[in-house]
Amino acid sequence: AQSVTQPDIHITVSEGASLELRCNYSYGATPYLFWYVQSPGQGLQLLLKYFSGDTLVQGIKGFEAEFKRSQSSFNLRKPSVHWSDAAEYFCAVGGIRGADGLTFGKGTHLIIQP
Amino acid sequence: DAGVTQSPTHLIKTRGQQVTLRCSPKSGHDTVSWYQQALGQGPQFIFQYYEEEERQRGNFPDRFSGHQFPNYSSELNVNALLLGDSALYLCASSFASPGEAFFGQGTRLTVV
Repeated sequence: AQSVTQPDIHITVSEGASLELRCNYSYGATPYLFWYVQSPGQGLQLLLKYFSGDTLVQGIKGFEAEFKRSQSSFNLRKPSVHWSDAAEYFCAVGGIRGADGLTFGKGTHLIIQP
Repeated sequence: DAGVTQSPTHLIKTRGQQVTLRCSPKSGHDTVSWYQQALGQGPQFIFQYYEEEERQRGNFPDRFSGHQFPNYSSELNVNALLLGDSALYLCASSFASPGEAFFGQGTRLTVV
């Protein structure tokens, strides 16, 4: 069965500092991987996705993620965070059709300090 | 493009009642998935509909059922509501393979 682990429940970062959110997955085949962001009381917005090819993928809002098969990881990074980045971030793994039955991690709550 | 739209936005029901939630997919999308997100948790996959058939199902009881219409819109029905069914219910639509899922704003269901 597929699973996603986000080891950090909360992360606090100063505005302007760099950010890395960790994600480890378990999946029997080549995974389709996603990062979503959720503001309070809102739905999920796709930040970026990995389907195949270049293991470093660029997303919206200045985010990027790197797929490392050997480590079963798909960590999200941003070189300089803004106060508006404060939100809940979810890593997800999909099935053979990409968006099939996504399995989500429990999320990482990002707090931005002024 | 209106994106994925869900109705209603909020709903309060009594334990034992039945509820129907609705979802209109993003224009051009033919696949609809439903997720349950309990407070402080990640979304959990309920089921997915494609060509008016349930294509895939997560680990949810039969009290959770759905339907997809010819225009690709979808309904989620929950019977015999339990207090534990209180959650944000998210609808996502997608197209093609591999596809990415676009989510609606969700329906907040409170069971009292």
